[in-house]
Amino acid sequence: KQEVTQIPAALSVPEGENLVLNCSFTDSAIYNLQWFRQDPGKGLTSLLLIQSSQREQTSGRLNASLDKSSGRSTLYIAASQPGDSATYLCAVISGATNKLIFGTGTLLAVQP
Amino acid sequence: EAGVTQFPSHSVIEKGQTVTLRCDPISGHDNLYWYRRVMGKEIKFLLHFVKESKQDESGMPNNRFLAERTGGTYSTLKVQPAELEDSGVYFCASSQVFRSSGNTIYFGEGSWLTVV
Repeated sequence: KQEVTQIPAALSVPEGENLVLNCSFTDSAIYNLQWFRQDPGKGLTSLLLIQSSQREQTSGRLNASLDKSSGRSTLYIAASQPGDSATYLCAVISGATNKLIFGTGTLLAVQP
Repeated sequence: EAGVTQFPSHSVIEKGQTVTLRCDPISGHDNLYWYRRVMGKEIKFLLHFVKESKQDESGMPNNRFLAERTGGTYSTLKVQPAELEDSGVYFCASSQVFRSSGNTIYFGEGSWLTVV
């Protein structure tokens, strides 16, 4: 059974810092991995999608890496801003289904 | 282009009552999903439609939950009768292509359900 874990559960950093959010999954037979952002009271916004054959994806200040064999992904945020404050969710689609399996998220607070 | 829209955004009902949540996917998206997040837990899959057919309903918690997608357009999720543990956020999502590259899934803002 696929399980997704995110560490840390919460993180507070001063503005301008670079930071890394971690995601691990127990079954390496994934189809792809997505990072989402959720603002309070809002829906999920897809940030980056990494196919199982890829190692990383970049979008602006965000860079996500994927190491399928070790069951890990990281989301790197460069030069953090207060507007980056949100919950960041990692989710995988396993090779057997088209369901997203989510982690519990990392609550990020960037202090001005 | 409109995104995934859900209605109602918030609902407070008494235990034993019925609530129907509606989801309008992005136009042209054959795949429609329902997910749920209850307090303190991770977001969990409920079911997946491909057009009007239920592709996978393995996440539906029990027979008090009924999902439909008549005509393959919008979908409804009915909870009858509602119980306290049904409180949470119900997310709808849609995608254009099944299990293919670029299979980005787009989420609605959720329907926040409180059962009292």
